[in-house]
Amino acid sequence: DIQLTQSPSTLSASVGDRVSIACRASQDINSWLAWYQQKPGTAPRLLIYRASTLESGVPSRFSGSESGTEFTLTISSLQPEDFANYYCHQYHSYPVTFGQGTRVETK
Amino acid sequence: QVQLVQSGAEVKKPGASVKVSCRASGYAFVNHYISWVRQTPGQGLEWMAIVNPSGGPPTYAPQFQGRITMTRDTSADTVDMEVSSLRIDDTALYYCARVRFYYGPGNFLIDHWGQGTLVTVSS
Repeated sequence: DIQLTQSPSTLSASVGDRVSIACRASQDINSWLAWYQQKPGTAPRLLIYRASTLESGVPSRFSGSESGTEFTLTISSLQPEDFANYYCHQYHSYPVTFGQGTRVETK
Repeated sequence: QVQLVQSGAEVKKPGASVKVSCRASGYAFVNHYISWVRQTPGQGLEWMAIVNPSGGPPTYAPQFQGRITMTRDTSADTVDMEVSSLRIDDTALYYCARVRFYYGPGNFLIDHWGQGTLVTVSS
């Protein structure tokens, strides 16, 4: 199985900060990576797919990038509604897998 | 708008079975695969299975082979998942999810999720 390692596990930030979350894949996944946001008590929401394609309706402050097997989700200017958990997800090969998650909390 | 509505919370004893239902609306049900993912505090998000509502056998994650049965009803736009031989560590929030595109059993994108069904396994 492909392992996804997210870092950090918890990120403390303030409104307006630029924040980045990393996700490292254990092997090449050819850009087949998505990012989801999950707020307490709600289901995950698709933010980005194919490593860098923004899902319709998602604010442009969210962006995704990649370098080899390293993927990054960046929020350019953190908004109050962005405090949540974030998960990366590879859909390159069976079985699909998820990262362990990053919690973005208020500093 | 796309909606996936799941059945309510369940409490089961170890060794029992549980069936979770997922009803889709807001899109052509037969045109999109349905996948199941569960979430636990310890394991995080864990993919379980995927099925084509139009037909064909489901695909299961290796750790769930033999313990999951999936059924579909295209007249009701519903997919059910039954998990048997429940263990304490099967306590989780179970999500059904719509697949936007499907290229293979390990190459598909989930774009919409149900609200989740909490299954508690306790003696």
